[in-house]
Amino acid sequence: NAGVTQTPKFQVLKTGQSMTLQCAQDMNHEYMSWYRQDPGMGLRLIHYSVGAGITDQGEVPNGYNVSRSTTEDFPLRLLSAAPSQTSVYFCASSPQGAGGYGYTFGSGTRLTVV
Amino acid sequence: RKEVEQDPGPFNVPEGATVAFNCTYSNSASQSFFWYRQDCRKEPKLLMSVYSSGNEDGRFTAQLNRASQYISLLIRDSKLSDSATYLCVVKNGPNAGGTSYGKLTFGQGTILTVHP
Repeated sequence: NAGVTQTPKFQVLKTGQSMTLQCAQDMNHEYMSWYRQDPGMGLRLIHYSVGAGITDQGEVPNGYNVSRSTTEDFPLRLLSAAPSQTSVYFCASSPQGAGGYGYTFGSGTRLTVV
Repeated sequence: RKEVEQDPGPFNVPEGATVAFNCTYSNSASQSFFWYRQDCRKEPKLLMSVYSSGNEDGRFTAQLNRASQYISLLIRDSKLSDSATYLCVVKNGPNAGGTSYGKLTFGQGTILTVHP
């Protein structure tokens, strides 16, 4: 059971480039989210999804797009990378919204934009 | 005001000490509550859920006071391996409405260092 898998683990981009951060889970979880973590800022929600075909914006969505065509996959697209998007990105999933189900996190993608 | 507030610390305690972390939340739609642990350069991992009746897992005790919107974590007999950042996390309940149901909000984390 792989859990939540994120790829790549590390990435360096030039300003203006685009790329997709991949996230896949094999636990049949309905809920999936993307967070970024910056020093002194904690974890901030970028986009989230409550099921296939349904996505919504979080706290810091600008510059990012998501889609959820399957239950398993929730890719995050950076449209035109900026140095302000240098961060650690975490994908997480949860069985459902209700109750005391916590989220399981992937191991993260460390992105540097130069 | 942040939705979830924690004392960022850092807390530096000797092995064997008891340490307590506090957290307050402001969103009345919050339904579920958790403590996560995050090691340096690693992903957050669920430490324990928090229930109104209070719950214990070994050396860790969590408490929730819904009336005061306050959550706590007590660590007894601290070990070197407890050194980490502890994140207070709240989850929206169904009264949050729409797709906000189930959304997590994180505190900034409390840094704990346990020294010999």
